[in-house]
Amino acid sequence: DIQMTQSPASLSASLGETVSIECLASEGISNDLAWYQQKSGKSPQLLIYAASRLQDGVPSRFSGSGSGTRYSLKISGMQPEDEADYFCQQSYKYPNTFGAGTKLELK
Amino acid sequence: EVKLVESGGGLVQPGRSLKLSCAASGFSFNDYWMGWVRQAPGKGLEWIGEINQDSSTINYTPSLKDKFTISRDNAQNTLYLQMSKLGSEDTAIYYCARKAIYVYYGLLLQYFDYWGQGVMVTVSS
Repeated sequence: DIQMTQSPASLSASLGETVSIECLASEGISNDLAWYQQKSGKSPQLLIYAASRLQDGVPSRFSGSGSGTRYSLKISGMQPEDEADYFCQQSYKYPNTFGAGTKLELK
Repeated sequence: EVKLVESGGGLVQPGRSLKLSCAASGFSFNDYWMGWVRQAPGKGLEWIGEINQDSSTINYTPSLKDKFTISRDNAQNTLYLQMSKLGSEDTAIYYCARKAIYVYYGLLLQYFDYWGQGVMVTVSS
């Protein structure tokens, strides 16, 4: 199975701060990576697919980058509504696997 | 509007079985792969498996392959998850999700673009 190592496990950011979350795959996944946001008590919502493509309706402050085994999600200017858990997922090989998640809080 | 609505959850005794349903609407159900993901209380997301459009291909996470069965009824626009030999470790919220594909230089890059609200399954005596 492809292991997705996500970091950090948690972070706290101030309003307007830029934050980054990383996922390291145990082998190359050819940009077959998505990022999801999950707010408390809600189902996950797609933010980014194909490593860098922004899902329709997602604010442009969210961006994704990376290649090979290293991928990152950046939030350019933390907003109160961005407080949530974030997960990466690879769909390159079966079984698809998720990162352990990052809990993002507003400082 | 794309809608996915799970049902069939609840309290079940260890060792028993349970079947979840996911009713889809707002899109052409038989054009999409569909999948199941679960989340134990306070934990992360776990991919369970997914099924292709005509049920000819079904993939599972290895640890659940002998316990869970994914199926679909395209005439009823419904996805199913049959769970057997349930244990406390199966206590979780179960989500169904639609799988979309983005074609990039010949690569088929996949992702879950819509998720249901989830259904809680509690395994306890």
